[in-house]
Amino acid sequence: DVKVTQSSRYLVKRTGEKVFLECVQDMDHENMFWYRQDPGLGLRLIYFSYDVKMKEKGDIPEGYSVSREKKERFSLILESASTNQTSMYLCASSKGGTANTEAFFGQGTRLTVV
Amino acid sequence: QQPVQSPQAVILREGEDAVINCSSSKALYSVHWYRQKHGEAPVFLMILLKGGEQKGHEKISASFNEKKQQSSLYLTASQLSYSGTYFCGPKRSGGYNKLIFGAGTRLAVHP
Repeated sequence: DVKVTQSSRYLVKRTGEKVFLECVQDMDHENMFWYRQDPGLGLRLIYFSYDVKMKEKGDIPEGYSVSREKKERFSLILESASTNQTSMYLCASSKGGTANTEAFFGQGTRLTVV
Repeated sequence: QQPVQSPQAVILREGEDAVINCSSSKALYSVHWYRQKHGEAPVFLMILLKGGEQKGHEKISASFNEKKQQSSLYLTASQLSYSGTYFCGPKRSGGYNKLIFGAGTRLAVHP
């Protein structure tokens, strides 16, 4: 069974803390994604990685950074968490190149910044 | 840069039909469709490719108009299990893998 695993389902952090959200996939996928989901706004892409150490900004990268040192792991970093980053965060992965196949999602991390 | 989905929400009785539309401002190569049930992760439904090929769901159909940069999802004889939020994700080229979704369409099917 294919899997995208996010390290935490729920997370509570304080304003100003550095926060790491981890995502691991076991499908040897080249592409990995971080999305933020807020009511009425859908899935907004924060960052995208198409290979180890390679990344592209999505629509809302401000306040976030990412790290991909190994193919199976994609980390989202909030350098200094703020209350407006309280949200559901979803990680996804898919095959790269011209495969154009489905993306698989993790269960999400609900982050609350207080 | 997000594609535009319409309607924002639909309420149906079991057995009724619905159409969900997705429009992009950019030329398209393919369109992905996903469904997310409440409290769950989005799940793949289908991919529509330029040239008409469709890969995915058996009971839900879709169309893809490359010239109009639009796709539509057709939910016929809806079932309770169709309830959820539907997202489209247009892609610009075969080698362009960034997947950007619309705001979603909430569908509620009642008995």
